[in-house]
Amino acid sequence: GENVEQHPSTLSVQEGDSAVIKCTYSDSASNYFPWYKQELGKRPQLIIDIRSNVGEKKDQRIAVTLNKTAKHFSLHITETQPEDSAVYFCAAFPPGNTPLVFGKGTRLSVIA
Amino acid sequence: EAQVTQNPRYLITVTGKKLTVTCSQNMNHEYMSWYRQDPGLGLRQIYYSMNVEVTDKGDVPEGYKVSRKEKRNFPLILESPSPNQTSLYFCASSYAGGAVGYTFGSGTRLTVV
Repeated sequence: GENVEQHPSTLSVQEGDSAVIKCTYSDSASNYFPWYKQELGKRPQLIIDIRSNVGEKKDQRIAVTLNKTAKHFSLHITETQPEDSAVYFCAAFPPGNTPLVFGKGTRLSVIA
Repeated sequence: EAQVTQNPRYLITVTGKKLTVTCSQNMNHEYMSWYRQDPGLGLRQIYYSMNVEVTDKGDVPEGYKVSRKEKRNFPLILESPSPNQTSLYFCASSYAGGAVGYTFGSGTRLTVV
């Protein structure tokens, strides 16, 4: 079955710097890759997603890139702010009647 | 407002006392799922349901039961809770399984003593 690896597990950046979180997946047929943000004490919320027919997607300071050949996708956050501090989860969807497969999460700390 | 509602938000119980955590969604979603979240282990799936009367085991189903008698409800049942089931639990739903983003409930923090 699909396996998603996420790195790093923790990441600290200075406010205003960029942050990059990387995920790799094992099933080359996976075709949907969402990212979730979970603030302390709150539920995970979808922040951006990308499908396999697209290489990059942007939404203001957040972007996701997908490399199907290498089977990895990344979340890029530019001009980080303290409110970006959270745990971020990547996920992959293998085709068929199956659930999303989640990575183990990255705890991002933005230091003011 | 479209939402997934979990109850209770917090629960402290004793070992062996049966409990049910409820989950209800008002979006007419076919897919519903339960996860537990523990430090360093991410989100681990317990059970999921692709539609009414259809349930499947996730990665960590031992000690849990679910039922899907109606589309909107997907309760999580712990018949005989043990301390290793102390965790943060999330219910999630979507209209197309894992092919679209999930909507998560607010979570239930369960402590079994």
